Amino acid sequence: QKEVEQNSGPLSVPEGAIASLNCTYSDRGSQSFFWYRQYSGKSPELIMSIYSNGDKEDGRFTAQLNKASQYVSLLIRDSQPSDSATYLCAVNRQGAQKLVFGQGTRLTINP
Amino acid sequence: GAVVSQHPSRVICKSGTSVKIECRSLDFQATTMFWYRQFPKQSLMLMATSNEGSKATYEQGVEKDKFLINHASLTLSTLTVTSAHPEDSSFYICSASPTIRGPTDTQYFGPGTRLTVL
Repeated sequence: QKEVEQNSGPLSVPEGAIASLNCTYSDRGSQSFFWYRQYSGKSPELIMSIYSNGDKEDGRFTAQLNKASQYVSLLIRDSQPSDSATYLCAVNRQGAQKLVFGQGTRLTINP
Repeated sequence: GAVVSQHPSRVICKSGTSVKIECRSLDFQATTMFWYRQFPKQSLMLMATSNEGSKATYEQGVEKDKFLINHASLTLSTLTVTSAHPEDSSFYICSASPTIRGPTDTQYFGPGTRLTVL
């Protein structure tokens, strides 16, 4: 079992709809959770971080964390074609320096 | 805030030569920096964790004598690919974590360096 798992996609969503990206992790000691966006040929860019159970909203993005079920998700409201990218879920265990990344979900927003 | 730069952004070199890539945190101090490699259509692969003033910690399978890492200051880490070969051609990306400790450490990524070895 991979430490961090994501559906590789591609996930196609019509413009204006809600895109839902999911991530599960295996280490119950995980404390910090991150979503990064990576455009083709570019480096990852931090979208959201979340540390406590529940929802965290930032503009059109909402991160959801459920530690009991060991999953973290990212919702993108009012999806735009510019949201088309690969979304990487990353997890950090308390005290650990390095992040563990999922394989990424490729998202395509169709005009 | 939290800007990380890399130089060069793109480099082409001949097989057998060495290439140095610089990673700088521009507006924060970074005790820890990370070096990743990414092949086309694949996920990030962590190569090593670099702590200021100490030796880097390499991931399993990464040759420390081939990929030399130096983290001499709180804002600069360098990766030198020694005796580069075509199979070393890849996208090299660094990231930096702010010095503030705690479970909220976040990695901010540089723009990456695309290395092509002929």
